[in-house]
Amino acid sequence: DIQMTQAPSSLSASVGGRVSITCRASQNIGKFLNWYQQKGGKAPKLLIYAATSLPSGVPSRFSGSGSGTDFTLTISRLQREDFATYYCQQSKSNPLTFGQGTRLEI
Amino acid sequence: EVQLVQSGAEVKKPGESLKISCQGSGYRFSTYWIGWVRQLPGKGLEWMGIIFPDDSNTTYNPSFEGQVTISADKSSATAYLQWSSLKASDTALYYCARRMIWAGEPSDYYAMDVWGQGTTVTVSS
Repeated sequence: DIQMTQAPSSLSASVGGRVSITCRASQNIGKFLNWYQQKGGKAPKLLIYAATSLPSGVPSRFSGSGSGTDFTLTISRLQREDFATYYCQQSKSNPLTFGQGTRLEI
Repeated sequence: EVQLVQSGAEVKKPGESLKISCQGSGYRFSTYWIGWVRQLPGKGLEWMGIIFPDDSNTTYNPSFEGQVTISADKSSATAYLQWSSLKASDTALYYCARRMIWAGEPSDYYAMDVWGQGTTVTVSS
């Protein structure tokens, strides 16, 4: 299985600020990397697919970068509704695997 | 509106059987893979497996193979996750999600773009 490791596990930030979350894969996954946001026991929401692409409706303050084994999710101009837990997921091979999550707090 | 609606919360005893459901609407259900994801209390997300409703082709995460059964009924646009004998360790929140595909080079990219609201399963004596 491909292991996904996120850093940090948690971080604090302020409204209007900017944060970055990193995700490292245990082997080369190209751009087969997705990011999800989960708030308080609700269903995850897709934020980024194919490492850098935003689905329709996701605000442009979210951006993704990276390829191979190292990836980054960056959130600019933090809004209050962005405080949540973020997960990366590789879609290179089955079983699909998630990172352990990064909790973003005020 | 594209949506997946899951069945309600369940409370069961160890050893009992259970089948939870996920009904799709607003799109052609049979032609999109549906996956299941487990979230243990206070923990992260685990991909359990996926099914293609049109022909019931199924792939399991080896960690879950033999522990659960994934099935689908395309006539009712519903996917299912079932257990034959529940354990306390099956207590979790279970999500279904649609796999969306985007054209890419050299191969297509895919991600879970629509999620059900989740079904809480509690197994306790």
